[in-house]
Amino acid sequence: GQNIDQPTEMTATEGAIVQINCTYQTSGFNGLFWYQQHAGEAPTFLSYNVLDGLEEKGRFSSFLSRSKGYSYLLLKELQMKDSASYLCAVRGTSGTYKYIFGTGTRLKVLA
Amino acid sequence: GAVVSQHPSWVICKSGTSVKIECRSLDFQATTMFWYRQFPKQSLMLMATSNEGSKATYEQGVEKDKFLINHASLTLSTLTVTSAHPEDSSFYICSATPGQTYEQYFGPGTRLTVT
Repeated sequence: GQNIDQPTEMTATEGAIVQINCTYQTSGFNGLFWYQQHAGEAPTFLSYNVLDGLEEKGRFSSFLSRSKGYSYLLLKELQMKDSASYLCAVRGTSGTYKYIFGTGTRLKVLA
Repeated sequence: GAVVSQHPSWVICKSGTSVKIECRSLDFQATTMFWYRQFPKQSLMLMATSNEGSKATYEQGVEKDKFLINHASLTLSTLTVTSAHPEDSSFYICSATPGQTYEQYFGPGTRLTVT
């Protein structure tokens, strides 16, 4: 079966660093994506990993270990505007390359 | 670039009526479009995959006769919720990809409320 797990909620302080974990068990793998979603809005793309290792993009970094079925999103220098849901999605290897989304993590940044 | 629009952004309809939601790729040709629904505080659930010129592929548990999907051109896909019921009230989001590229581009979503 397909299973992608994330913590439901996290809280962190402005200026701090937070790590959001994602574990997955899927029948195929062709990349892992992280999206940010504010309430009532569509997801916006943050990062993409297809090979093991760390991808850094400004304040955001994402790590992947395919052998462990594990990824994390690291957010540095947290700002209030980072309060949002963070979605992990795995792209499959079927002909349509569909995404399977994780449960999502609601991050609350406190002043 | 890579902009996807949805129309309407929100809609209220009466129980038993049908409502159509449009998804357009504005600056690229989308060979594949996806339709998702999202309930409050939950993640995106894939409803169906739509390829231009062919029938949509529905995920398990999604009624294809209730959620009609048409991908008539490389820039337009429509989702029609037929005989809507209050439990169909949800946030519907489409995404599009210009072929076998690594990213899906998401529309802004449509909030459907059925009264």
